[in-house]
Amino acid sequence: AAGVIQSPRHLIKEKRETATLKCYPIPRHDTVYWYQQGPGQDPQFLISFYEKMQSDKGSIPDRFSAQQFSDYHSELNMSSLELGDSALYFCASSLLTASGANVLTFGAGSRLTVL
Amino acid sequence: AQTVTQSQPEMSVQEAETVTLSCTYDTSESDYYLFWYKQPPSRQMILVIRQEAYKQQNATENRFSVNFQKAAKSFSLKISDSQLGDAAMYFCAYGGGLPNAGKSTFGDGTTLTVKP
Repeated sequence: AAGVIQSPRHLIKEKRETATLKCYPIPRHDTVYWYQQGPGQDPQFLISFYEKMQSDKGSIPDRFSAQQFSDYHSELNMSSLELGDSALYFCASSLLTASGANVLTFGAGSRLTVL
Repeated sequence: AQTVTQSQPEMSVQEAETVTLSCTYDTSESDYYLFWYKQPPSRQMILVIRQEAYKQQNATENRFSVNFQKAAKSFSLKISDSQLGDAAMYFCAYGGGLPNAGKSTFGDGTTLTVKP
């Protein structure tokens, strides 16, 4: 079965550079979520999209932006990178059922290292 | 805002034994979902089990079961017949229901060690 695909799996950037992470959700899933997991931390919700529209926003810095495209893939853009942005970035997708269940399927994550 | 608390940073269990991981949460919503995720060293987040708040029956998935106490806002995970492959970080997570279905709030995690 198809899973959530994230690319790149690993990324190394310098401070103040820009990075873009991509996420391809499970086909027919209508919602995409981005999470940030720092070293030894629990995943923190950044932002979500439902049917290509931003549906919720969490602790996402102003330096970050995201969007979901017509083919439902999503991109997380991070500018003016800081050392603290080094983390594992998860994308997850779900299909909201009539009952509202939001069972997330996570991708393998993109590990960003900022030097 | 919802909060999820896992009071056990680390737990260990002997192979083939049973272990229970604790989780409490706080919410003012009546419709919500609770999840346990497993994160092995590969860092992949894997859904272990989920519970709909409106269901009184505790969810069960093979060796994994939960004890859901809605009034006490408690959601513990029991792993029976523990296996070496169960060693991982376990996260308890809260997800809102409609119309707030969306982001999940995670606890700090419990690292489970399985001893042979």
